[in-house]
Amino acid sequence: ETGVTQSPTHLIKTRGQQVTLRCSSQSGHNTVSWYQQALGQGPQFIFQYYREEENGRGNFPPRFSGLQFPNYSSELNVNALELDDSALYLCASSSTGGANSGELFFGEGSRLTVL
Amino acid sequence: SQQGEEDPQALSIQEGENATMNCSYKTSINNLQWYRQNSGRGLVHLILIRSNEREKHSGRLRVTLDTSKKSSSLLITASRAADTASYFCATGRGGSARQLTFGSGTQLTVLP
Repeated sequence: ETGVTQSPTHLIKTRGQQVTLRCSSQSGHNTVSWYQQALGQGPQFIFQYYREEENGRGNFPPRFSGLQFPNYSSELNVNALELDDSALYLCASSSTGGANSGELFFGEGSRLTVL
Repeated sequence: SQQGEEDPQALSIQEGENATMNCSYKTSINNLQWYRQNSGRGLVHLILIRSNEREKHSGRLRVTLDTSKKSSSLLITASRAADTASYFCATGRGGSARQLTFGSGTQLTVLP
């Protein structure tokens, strides 16, 4: 148990629709990042939020957007869904500083299927 | 794009044997981490090794890092059926040590 919770666990959408995925960070963690994991691949970094601001982004188009709230929970929004967006979306929280700075605590993920 | 590449892609061993997985990466790093993922689940952090460290131990895990060769290895000793999972290396660099770049993983199967 990492203390990071994600919802929903599974969802099915059709091409062109929009989706919102949610994440609750582990208590005391002020940084949240999102990863996309296609079947059989390693996770790919989408973006990261720190103190409610995006402070890093991977190679994903603007239709992938996010929010972080004052309680450090987060949302990932994807507009105009494409078939290739089908993947496991992982949220990870972390804290700044400390001996193991850089360690991420992952949720169980949201499995998105786009038909 | 994946920076780290794990080798082998799949590994099958008997319970009690040791399992060794290797990871290569391309750019300079702050740290290298290993994560484990059971099928379709979230990732669990195993161990972090900093760029100025050469070896680190945690229980049955031993990680080495060779920055001159841009490679790392993860050794799991006395493997158990419960160790069956995918193992990923991930690198963090610069001021973005939490923005990790993952490899494509090694699928380890431990047969009872």
